[in-house]
Amino acid sequence: GESVGLHLPTLSVQEGDNSIINCAYSNSASDYFIWYKQESGKGPQFIIDIRSNMDKRQGQRVTVLLNKTVKHLSLQIAATQPGDSAVYFCAESRDGGGFKTIFGAGTRLFVKA
Amino acid sequence: EAQVTQNPRYLITVTGKKLTVTCSQNMNHEYMSWYRQDPGLGLRQIYYSMNVEVTDKGDVPEGYKVSRKEKRNFPLILESPSPNQTSLYFCASSLSYPNIWILGTLNEQFFGPGTRLTVL
Repeated sequence: GESVGLHLPTLSVQEGDNSIINCAYSNSASDYFIWYKQESGKGPQFIIDIRSNMDKRQGQRVTVLLNKTVKHLSLQIAATQPGDSAVYFCAESRDGGGFKTIFGAGTRLFVKA
Repeated sequence: EAQVTQNPRYLITVTGKKLTVTCSQNMNHEYMSWYRQDPGLGLRQIYYSMNVEVTDKGDVPEGYKVSRKEKRNFPLILESPSPNQTSLYFCASSLSYPNIWILGTLNEQFFGPGTRLTVL
């Protein structure tokens, strides 16, 4: 079936470095993508979203890149901080608004001090 | 404080005993959704609701029911729980309109703290 997957289950980075978390999606009909952060014991927290008619979107210290040609999504975190340690999920939707959403399995980010 | 609340936070029950997990939001959001989270599988959507009396199935609706009689509440009902429904459940809500960016996002979902359910 269709799925949203991740290249790496864990990622370890040094504090202050940039982090890149990757995500592959399989359905070319997906038109909306979202990144979530989940800290231990908490619910997911929205980070940033992007529509399929865009290839880049920036937020505060985060950038999402979308490559529709290879069906690849990435989340870049600038100057990674210890508070960025969490599990990151990408999610896709095909209904134009993210109402029916499929999540990937997640990538755990470790930030070393 | 703007928030999504779930009750109970923890529940241990037995197979076949009907239960309801409540979800409430105080942000006047139109969209609400339920997810379950299992190790290695990420979050999977159970049901969602676009507005009062409007609900639709997500990817894993079997064994669950929902209702949306009021805008703020979206309870998840397990009529006859089974051990394979042991999971961590999250409710979410958002102020969302299709294809319209609001405050810089299309659909920023706010999640509750989760309900850990164990069915023996």
